[in-house]
Amino acid sequence: AQKITQTQPGMFVQEKEAVTLDCTYDTSDQSYGLFWYKQPSSGEMIFLIYQGSYDEQNATEGRYSLNFQKARKSANLVISASQLGDSAMYFCAMRETQGGSEKLVFGKGTKLTVNP
Amino acid sequence: DAGITQSPRHKVTETGTPVTLRCHQTENHRYMYWYRQDPGHGLRLIHYSYGVKDTDKGEVSDGYSVSRSKTEDFLLTLESATSSQTSVYFCAISESRGLAGAHEQFFGPGTRLTVL
Repeated sequence: AQKITQTQPGMFVQEKEAVTLDCTYDTSDQSYGLFWYKQPSSGEMIFLIYQGSYDEQNATEGRYSLNFQKARKSANLVISASQLGDSAMYFCAMRETQGGSEKLVFGKGTKLTVNP
Repeated sequence: DAGITQSPRHKVTETGTPVTLRCHQTENHRYMYWYRQDPGHGLRLIHYSYGVKDTDKGEVSDGYSVSRSKTEDFLLTLESATSSQTSVYFCAISESRGLAGAHEQFFGPGTRLTVL
């Protein structure tokens, strides 16, 4: 069963507008973490934002915010005031803990295109 | 900058040959990971390490082995490369993020491997 679901293979947004990228997750753990990464066409993976399952407030990092709805198991990324440089693949990931070891499980990604 | 390098960055090899990819970190992090990235699949975990000589399998470990004889190096070996192992391989390290214990992962630049 897929643990991280990103239902939008591709999204388009006009420059300077806000965009929401969807992510739902599946876990029975009480303690977990959710991450968003950006992968531009150059290929590197860039960490954007983190939300812990016990964090009461939604995480924010500059123009990025995470809309965390725990009961619905969703962790959507909101990018405000989109810029052309935001065009990239975006991956949602969840931290799993097994036997004291930690690893990330990734969704399949959303390709965001920002139009001028 | 988490000080992660991967070598080689690009490699073309033939089916049946052994291949070793190297991940090197300079910051003494405990956790290291190997992922492969393929279109339509996002990133999938191959193997990970939670300390010197301590490794475990990820979701796509068949055909791969790893070794970690010292903290800074994590090697991924394809004993007998196949065309299905053509992919982009990412190494990652995990760094604790203060009291939140976020363990966000930082990624190396990737290795593009082509098996003919």
